[in-house]
Amino acid sequence: RKEVEQDPGPFNVPEGATVAFNCTYSNSASQSFFWYRQDCRKEPKLLMSVYSSGNEDGRFTAQLNRASQYISLLIRDSKLSDSATYLCVVRIRNSGGYQKVTFGIGTKLQVIP
Amino acid sequence: DAGVTQSPTHLIKTRGQHVTLRCSPISGHKSVSWYQQVLGQGPQFIFQYYEKEERGRGNFPDRFSARQFPNYSSELNVNALLLGDSALYLCASSLNGMANTGELFFGEGSRLTVL
Repeated sequence: RKEVEQDPGPFNVPEGATVAFNCTYSNSASQSFFWYRQDCRKEPKLLMSVYSSGNEDGRFTAQLNRASQYISLLIRDSKLSDSATYLCVVRIRNSGGYQKVTFGIGTKLQVIP
Repeated sequence: DAGVTQSPTHLIKTRGQHVTLRCSPISGHKSVSWYQQVLGQGPQFIFQYYEKEERGRGNFPDRFSARQFPNYSSELNVNALLLGDSALYLCASSLNGMANTGELFFGEGSRLTVL
């Protein structure tokens, strides 16, 4: 089983639609969770961190369910500029201070006019 | 302010050769991490360095090595290149590598092609 699993898509949605992406992780000791956005042939950029209480940033809402080891990203009122690959990221740190960051394969979103 | 800078941006090598990739973090950032991204996949974690010490290592063979210098810049070295090493190599810097939170700022990457 992969450490971080995402549906690669592509998700093709019309402008204005609401779309949800899911991500599951296998290591219950994972501590930090993020969504990154990567445009075609560009570097990843942080979209938002994900907290157990859920967090919202404009049209974007992220949720974390630690019991189910599940992370979600909801995009409302999709814009053409939202077209990108959305990467689920999980970070774990052990008692020795050693860190490991794991990216999912990414979910490709294409917003259609 | 300059972001994360990587060099070279593109390079072509042949099997068996060695490559050195370089990264300069954002000014004030003390942590640098390296990732390999193969086309169609997410970035895979290779190494993290903080204050010149290795603080994380992914599942890569010993052919991959890295170091961080006193000015916090970093090098990634890959020996005995294989065709499968062809990828985009991304460097990311963060302010405090030991924090559980903390945004990763990525450079534009070094695109390596092994023939």
